Amino acid sequence: DQQVKQNSPSLSVQEGRISILNCDYTNSMFDYFLWYKKYPAEGPTFLISISSIKDKNEDGRFTVFLNKSAKHLSLHIVPSQPGDSAVYFCAASGTDSWGKLQFGAGTQVVVTP
Amino acid sequence: DADVTQTPRNRITKTGKRIMLECSQTKGHDRMYWYRQDPGLGLRLIYYSFDVKDINKGEISDGYSVSRQAQAKFSLSLESAIPNQTALYFCATGGPFSNQPQHFGDGTRLSIL
Repeated sequence: DQQVKQNSPSLSVQEGRISILNCDYTNSMFDYFLWYKKYPAEGPTFLISISSIKDKNEDGRFTVFLNKSAKHLSLHIVPSQPGDSAVYFCAASGTDSWGKLQFGAGTQVVVTP
Repeated sequence: DADVTQTPRNRITKTGKRIMLECSQTKGHDRMYWYRQDPGLGLRLIYYSFDVKDINKGEISDGYSVSRQAQAKFSLSLESAIPNQTALYFCATGGPFSNQPQHFGDGTRLSIL
């Protein structure tokens, strides 16, 4: 039973526009959420995270929003650049999971010129 | 040099063979993890270790074993490989706190014929 779900397997966006990636979770014990970016033939690299005590965290072009009541988080990339073309994974861990991460299935983002 | 190094990067082998995937890290982290990635399923945890004397099963440990030879080394073995273990395998390390991101190697692509 997947506790972290990314329902959009792919997203195409024009360069310069906003990319919005969505993630839903079911486990109310999750208190730390992360986004990873993955290029082909490379491992996932950490992008941005958010603790459950916050509802927004921003780092440059990347912003993560957390809606705890809806068990939903999103990643906004503004403006999107060609180098942002990658697979993005949402992940979560909880106080009961000792740092073990649960991952979503990933969203393939393609940024077109 | 990469902080988390996996060897081999690619491996093709036959059903029934024993295979070892190796992981070494220079980050000085105590926590190490093995994940596998399958299309449409994201990353799933196989085994994890919080220090040299600590080994724990993850979500999908059947058919796998691990060895933590030192703080910096964590290997994954497939005792008798089967075709449905064909996947991309990732090693990761993590800091001492559960609200810290994990750092991944570049993966081993394993094909079992």
